[in-house]
Amino acid sequence: SQKIEQNSEALNIQEGKTATLTCNYTNYSPAYLQWYRQDPGRGPVFLLLIRENEKEKRKERLKVTFDTTLKQSLFHITASQPADSATYLCALHGLTGGGNKLTFGTGTQLKVEL
Amino acid sequence: EAQVTQNPRYLITVTGKKLTVTCSQNMNHEYMSWYRQDPGLGLRQIYYSMNVEVTDKGDVPEGYKVSRKEKRNFPLILESPSPNQTSLYFCASSLSAGGSGELFFGEGSRLTVL
Repeated sequence: SQKIEQNSEALNIQEGKTATLTCNYTNYSPAYLQWYRQDPGRGPVFLLLIRENEKEKRKERLKVTFDTTLKQSLFHITASQPADSATYLCALHGLTGGGNKLTFGTGTQLKVEL
Repeated sequence: EAQVTQNPRYLITVTGKKLTVTCSQNMNHEYMSWYRQDPGLGLRQIYYSMNVEVTDKGDVPEGYKVSRKEKRNFPLILESPSPNQTSLYFCASSLSAGGSGELFFGEGSRLTVL
């Protein structure tokens, strides 16, 4: 069956370090992958989209890689700040059951400490 | 301001009492969708709509109904709520008719069914 896996354990890092979050998937051939940020009790907010033919995408301090051979995406936040503390969700878009669909992982909580 | 607006934000109700959660977007988006979010299960799609009068089931449609009579509105109806529908609900919209683009989420509606 199709599965998206994100580390359920919180990631704690020090301010200024690079945070790296992982999204692994099985039995998918996603056309593209998205990353969202979610703060407690709030709706997810879109961050980045990367297509299957792109290896890497950057936006300010954010970088996403997409390895369709490993079936993995890595999400990096460089020079992390306490304000980056949130839960980060990956979402895969692909054709399943005959229709377009965006499916979300369960998210990884990031805590950036002073 | 571009936004997705959900109401009510918080609701406590009793088993069997019909309720409607409204969702409205002001971005002229084709695609709208409802998700529920539960601890450990992530965001799961309930229903989606690719255009007016076109709706389709997501992963967890049982116990829910939707309608899309106007482009901007996509209400979620619980005809006979049960305690297992206690959850945090999110409405989302996307410019792409196939739901393949960035999703804009509402602030969420926290529903408790006693």
